[in-house]
Amino acid sequence: GAVVSQHPSWVICKSGTSVKIECRSLDFQATTMFWYRQFPKQSLMLMATSNEGSKATYEQGVEKDKFLINHASLTLSTLTVTSAHPEDSSFYICSARARGSGNTIYFGEGSWLTVV
Amino acid sequence: QKEVEQDPGPLSVPEGAIVSLNCTYSNSAFQYFMWYRQYSRKGPELLMYTYSSGNKEDGRFTAQVDKSSKYISLFIRDSQPSDSATYLCAMHFISNFGNEKLTFGTGTRLTIIP
Repeated sequence: GAVVSQHPSWVICKSGTSVKIECRSLDFQATTMFWYRQFPKQSLMLMATSNEGSKATYEQGVEKDKFLINHASLTLSTLTVTSAHPEDSSFYICSARARGSGNTIYFGEGSWLTVV
Repeated sequence: QKEVEQDPGPLSVPEGAIVSLNCTYSNSAFQYFMWYRQYSRKGPELLMYTYSSGNKEDGRFTAQVDKSSKYISLFIRDSQPSDSATYLCAMHFISNFGNEKLTFGTGTRLTIIP
């Protein structure tokens, strides 16, 4: 199947700093990428949907100035958590919809963020 | 009412049994239906993908969609301990204007007992 790579897999940052997470589709062009966060033993919560070359669409309750999403190319989207706080500690997962594949959606392995 | 309802479990079955996992949904606009498997501390892995009512089989897995009842199922035959994971159903639609939405169920934690 198609591969979606996330980097870093684990990151620890100090409160107040910013951290960037990358999501890459390695062997396909991703028309749309989705960003989720997942707390332990809970389901995925959609944060935003991004289309290449346009602004991301954020879900209600997600601060777009805090969670900056850039979908600069058909293979790369980034999520930047700005001014991170301990409550931002979570598992962040991206997924990508492969262009021309019948809309199949593949997930990255996720990125664990711990804010101390 | 949530758009997608899924029993969170936990569900425990003996090895070799048939597992049945289900989701219901309320939004008739959903066009694509998926099942993902997620192991602890890992990203979801796509298991099955369907877009029409009926059954789709892939090895030990069978996905069933009933659009009239807004009900989808995943069956696992000859269950193995390695099938122990959280199973998430997901629904997806894309509008003619390019808007799209991917919504997940809460996930069902499944344990296969050797």
